[in-house]
Amino acid sequence: QSALTQPASVSGSPGQSITISCTGTSSDVGGYNYVSWYQQHPGKAPKLMIYDVSNRPSGVSNRFSGSKSGNTASLTISGLQAEDEADYYCSSYTSSSTQVFGTGTKVTVL
Amino acid sequence: EVQLVESGGGLVQPGGSLRLSCAASGFTFSSYWMSWVRQAPGKGLEWVANIKQDGSEKYYVDSVKGRFTISRDNAKNSLYLQMNSLRAEDTAVYYCARVLRGGSYEYGYWGQGTLVTVSS
Repeated sequence: QSALTQPASVSGSPGQSITISCTGTSSDVGGYNYVSWYQQHPGKAPKLMIYDVSNRPSGVSNRFSGSKSGNTASLTISGLQAEDEADYYCSSYTSSSTQVFGTGTKVTVL
Repeated sequence: EVQLVESGGGLVQPGGSLRLSCAASGFTFSSYWMSWVRQAPGKGLEWVANIKQDGSEKYYVDSVKGRFTISRDNAKNSLYLQMNSLRAEDTAVYYCARVLRGGSYEYGYWGQGTLVTVSS
């Protein structure tokens, strides 16, 4: 049950696009299409941004998109805005019927 | 409106016990898997445990197996986490979370969290 691997930080200028990777194994990310992404602002509870690899919950901006290739999932934020500055976590279902989160990525809007 | 309100956190000595509660409202509690997720100060999210709608299936992260027990009372719309043999590394904000859809795996709803501090 090792945490999924994410880059510690990613930055971009307003209007740009950034991509956050999330690398696991064939027992989690690679084995199931149950990857989710969460946004967390300081002192707040996480917010679901993407589920089942690429689906957006109602109310989430279409600037957020998700994909997966092999054991690596990705979250892309297009048209970066100041309000997107936050921590982002991926999560995956695992072969042990548990869940595992990623190490987290701090997104900075320059 | 879906609401999840955690309670029961506080300061406890190493080796001690604590029981967290999560009061749910605004949805049919018995229709959803529920989970506990924690976050140590300044650290990332860690999945702790989940429980099936009828309580017949429960799963735990390895680090809490044998020490923590997740349970639910569908008649009271409540989720619980009994934490025994607490360690310093259990210090964290504990979130109650509900999946977005009945038997799915993503957490669409979260409580505000309750802080557990394990220290002498």
